Amino acid sequence: DTGVSQDPRHKITKRGQNVTFRCDPISEHNRLYWYRQTLGQGPEFLTYFQNEAQLEKSRLLSDRFSAERPKGSFSTLEIQRTEQGDSAMYLCASSLGFEKLFFGSGTQLSVL
Amino acid sequence: AQTVTQSQPEMSVQEAETVTLSCTYDTSESDYYLFWYKQPPSRQMILVIRQEAYKQQNATENRFSVNFQKAAKSFSLKISDSQLGDAAMYFCAAQGGSEKLVFGKGTKLTVNP
Repeated sequence: DTGVSQDPRHKITKRGQNVTFRCDPISEHNRLYWYRQTLGQGPEFLTYFQNEAQLEKSRLLSDRFSAERPKGSFSTLEIQRTEQGDSAMYLCASSLGFEKLFFGSGTQLSVL
Repeated sequence: AQTVTQSQPEMSVQEAETVTLSCTYDTSESDYYLFWYKQPPSRQMILVIRQEAYKQQNATENRFSVNFQKAAKSFSLKISDSQLGDAAMYFCAAQGGSEKLVFGKGTKLTVNP
């Protein structure tokens, strides 16, 4: 069990650029989640996969956001045409059931 | 839909003492779960304790226990024999009706030696 891995740890980008984050879940976990956390707030749910199927999406996930989980293993979260309001920490979690999520250390995005 | 409120932005406790963190929630679901997660400076969220709403008995995990008051929609976390390693942000969360966890804004716990 190597834990949930997220890459990169930090990303600085200019407004209008596209960014992509990667999450590698714990290998036997079929559920994968993306959350976003801004300063002084708790994490907010973005989306959820069971295996390769994206089963739930938050209305926070605008058209500029897309997430994939090909083959039910790692997942990517892409943000197109980034805005300053996208600056946040993006957390990935995986699990066998919702009763216990295992979180990664997050990707901190700064949009200048 | 769920809402979770943590009314204490910051709390402090002396090492070896006991501290209680407050959480209230609201939900329209009849079947739901409540959680406390810890986020140390490493940023990795770690599950501390979980309570199934249908269980009347309060959950306990070593030095951590909850006081679950279903009618009052209250879910507080008690940390006994506080240790320096307990210093972190603590988030209360609720889940019901979907896979989504709804988190509160968190309480920053400081442990003084």
